[in-house]
Amino acid sequence: DSGVTQTPKHLITATGQRVTLRCSPRSGDLSVYWYQQSLDQGLQFLIQYYNGEERAKGNILERFSAQQFPDLHSELNLSSLELGDSALYFCASSVDGQARYGYTFGSGTRLTVV
Amino acid sequence: GDSVTQMEGPVTLSEEAFLTINCTYTATGYPSLFWYVQYPGEGLQLLLKATKADDKGSNKGFEATYRKETTSFHLEKGSVQVSDSAVYFCALSNAGGTSYGKLTFGQGTILTVHP
Repeated sequence: DSGVTQTPKHLITATGQRVTLRCSPRSGDLSVYWYQQSLDQGLQFLIQYYNGEERAKGNILERFSAQQFPDLHSELNLSSLELGDSALYFCASSVDGQARYGYTFGSGTRLTVV
Repeated sequence: GDSVTQMEGPVTLSEEAFLTINCTYTATGYPSLFWYVQYPGEGLQLLLKATKADDKGSNKGFEATYRKETTSFHLEKGSVQVSDSAVYFCALSNAGGTSYGKLTFGQGTILTVHP
């Protein structure tokens, strides 16, 4: 157990729908990161939050949004889902806002859009 | 922008063989370098890291040395085990500018070790 908790582990939904992925960071960590892993794109950085504020944004689609709440958990919202959004979505956390020493990943949410 | 290139896989070895997975990078400034491992059905685990040139990261028999002159961070293990079968990712972080906490990953190398 890495200490980063992601729910749900699996999600199957239809095209056009909206889903919410949840992440609880490791105790004491202030920063949360979201990544998408797909066969064709590899691991892609989506977005980073630090202590409730957006810190960096990567290849995140406009249909996707995220936030970090006062208790530091984070949610990734995916809307108007398309078949191509099927992927593993990972959350990670670190104690600070830098990745100089790496960070800890959760076990991921596997999203299947049918 | 920053990028990481890993040797193409998959890599198939017999138990106790020597392992090398090549990794080269392109980045400005002084990035930190990492190797992550992903076992089937699991998330990524940090295997080892190096934060400055000539640093050697090591863990569980794996080693990698940060070579700034060749912009490389090759992963090595002297004797692999079946339990080392996994996907290995090289990654870098470059906290300068707007990169903040972003990790840039290579495409991953699948390692399969046979008894």
